[in-house]
Amino acid sequence: DTGVSQDPRHKITKRGQNVTFRCDPISEHNRLYWYRQTLGQGPEFLTYFQNEAQLEKSRLLSDRFSAERPKGSFSTLEIQRTEQGDSAMYLCASSLQRQGLNEQYFGPGTRLTVT
Amino acid sequence: AQTVTQSQPEMSVQEAETVTLSCTYDTSESDYYLFWYKQPPSRQMILVIRQEAYKQQNATENRFSVNFQKAAKSFSLKISDSQLGDAAMYFCAYRYLQGGSEKLVFGKGTKLTVNP
Repeated sequence: DTGVSQDPRHKITKRGQNVTFRCDPISEHNRLYWYRQTLGQGPEFLTYFQNEAQLEKSRLLSDRFSAERPKGSFSTLEIQRTEQGDSAMYLCASSLQRQGLNEQYFGPGTRLTVT
Repeated sequence: AQTVTQSQPEMSVQEAETVTLSCTYDTSESDYYLFWYKQPPSRQMILVIRQEAYKQQNATENRFSVNFQKAAKSFSLKISDSQLGDAAMYFCAYRYLQGGSEKLVFGKGTKLTVNP
């Protein structure tokens, strides 16, 4: 498999529960991004990593959100005490840093529904 | 702030015909990239075409081409000989660098329907 994979594809949870999503980037890619996409909107940037370092976080990423990329390979995105407003598609993308354009390749996303 | 505007929430086209999707953006940067992404229903987003801002020549990828008007900050996508498989959400995106960080800003998307 040469693409970006995400697990799970769908998650239904009750308000107040914690959830964790996983993203496996393309193997040689050193940059990994998380986006959130709500219905009728384009993806919105949440955070990104270069290798294991988290270089930037959007203000959309409240204290209840945390992301890790412990060995510079896969990444996890955890949401604590979920709220109904967290319901969205969470997209992961990866890219290989090089001079000029670093094309981002997207995974299929994890659709979160908070009831 | 960098923003991307897609003014057409929905578009439709007859199979084999040509359709143009509009996109405008706002930036004060001079060096940036623009993209069109396709997101089929329940499938992952894929890159359709990209344009470097410093290039005057419009990008072309098979049936897909862009009309890049840098001064007007306009970046439209033309799909020629539309096929049923072109039906999808299309997102225009702008990439810029800020303090060493790289960001993609997306528009709200245009839903394209292809009628047989």
